[in-house]
Amino acid sequence: NAGVTQTPKFQVLKTGQSMTLQCAQDMNHNSMYWYRQDPGMGLRLIYYSASEGTTDKGEVPNGYNVSRLNKREFSLRLESAAPSQTSVYFCASPGQPGNGYTFGSGTRLTVV
Amino acid sequence: QKEVEQDPGPLSVPEGAIVSLNCTYSNSAFQYFMWYRQYSRKGPELLMYTYSSGNKEDGRFTAQVDKSSKYISLFIRDSQPSDSATYLCAMSRTGNQFYFGTGTSLTVIP
Repeated sequence: NAGVTQTPKFQVLKTGQSMTLQCAQDMNHNSMYWYRQDPGMGLRLIYYSASEGTTDKGEVPNGYNVSRLNKREFSLRLESAAPSQTSVYFCASPGQPGNGYTFGSGTRLTVV
Repeated sequence: QKEVEQDPGPLSVPEGAIVSLNCTYSNSAFQYFMWYRQYSRKGPELLMYTYSSGNKEDGRFTAQVDKSSKYISLFIRDSQPSDSATYLCAMSRTGNQFYFGTGTSLTVIP
């Protein structure tokens, strides 16, 4: 099925460790987004990529970096994980205006 | 002030009830309005979309937008246990970058 694929689904990190969350879409969309979802905070935009080769900061970019590897793939990297980064991370890709986002199934990250 | 405000609930209703979910917003430039449904441990999925003001109906679901009051609503008629989920409102100026509400948790009791 066409959509957005995220890996891994679950991850536990120790404070200070690094990791990369992977996202791939097969819908030939230009834009891709990374959100984090926390209780009571809703979905908050971390970074987005409007097209291949471009990335921009969202609402909560501190502590994260991103790479738009090609049109299909958009990765999110935590260089030195902190407990405040414990969250559920969603990758999303919008189609035409009005079609909304297609979301991945999420990555549940715990930093201890 | 947050761009989008949404009452988190939780909301609990008996099966068959009419459910009303609401969001308010502060940016008058928003013109794309959406409702997403999110089941536990899943990603959000698009439920309803409305452009500018007005109503839109799809089966048991009706979305309303009142731009003059900066207020949007989602109504669910004849609610079913399968409607139990978190409902997120989202809105955008351009149709690309969306601002989300915090979500309202709904439980429909058989």
